[in-house]
Amino acid sequence: GEDVEQSLFLSVREGDSSVINCTYTDSSSTYLYWYKQEPGAGLQLLTYIFSNMDMKQDQRLTVLLNKKDKHLSLRIADTQTGDSAIYFCAESDRDDKIIFGKGTRLHILP
Amino acid sequence: DTAVSQTPKYLVTQMGNDKSIKCEQNLGHDTMYWYKQDSKKFLKIMFSYNNKELIINETVPNRFSPKSPDKAHLNLHINSLELGDSAVYFCASSLMGEQFFGPGTRLTVL
Repeated sequence: GEDVEQSLFLSVREGDSSVINCTYTDSSSTYLYWYKQEPGAGLQLLTYIFSNMDMKQDQRLTVLLNKKDKHLSLRIADTQTGDSAIYFCAESDRDDKIIFGKGTRLHILP
Repeated sequence: DTAVSQTPKYLVTQMGNDKSIKCEQNLGHDTMYWYKQDSKKFLKIMFSYNNKELIINETVPNRFSPKSPDKAHLNLHINSLELGDSAVYFCASSLMGEQFFGPGTRLTVL
């Protein structure tokens, strides 16, 4: 069945760029998403990319999509302590159901 | 041995009716959520319950009322249904940041 894989942990120094990677299996996905979960809060949509796009930039966030390799990445420029959270990659499957990865815990080092 | 289950899977009803969606998790998690998924498949958090206490309520109309009879259940009751309530509603539970989603309930208001 459909699956979304991402690494569980990432540590980055404050001010550096963070790159969170994700792979997915459903080539028919229309949208791919990045959600952010801060401690004690629910999931909040961070950004999304339509499947016919290669890149999307939104202020400090850059999403890259390699559809051939089914690889999605989220780059956060100039990482701040407030970026410390869990980041979930997600895709919509052919039944319009959202499939989430397990989340990448981003830890910011001083 | 489904982890997070929701009933019903599909719900079709007339405007003005009152309906409930049930959610149960057998994972022993302390926190449960209700999300609404819009037409672009964005998930928006509606409610979060931690040990039967409401801790998030994201500007949801008061026609929506979550009810948690115990830690394993978080039901969503909707009064006076409106056309704009048509959506897919997801229940989720979490422990240590990882979220487990139910299969979703597709609500159609006619």
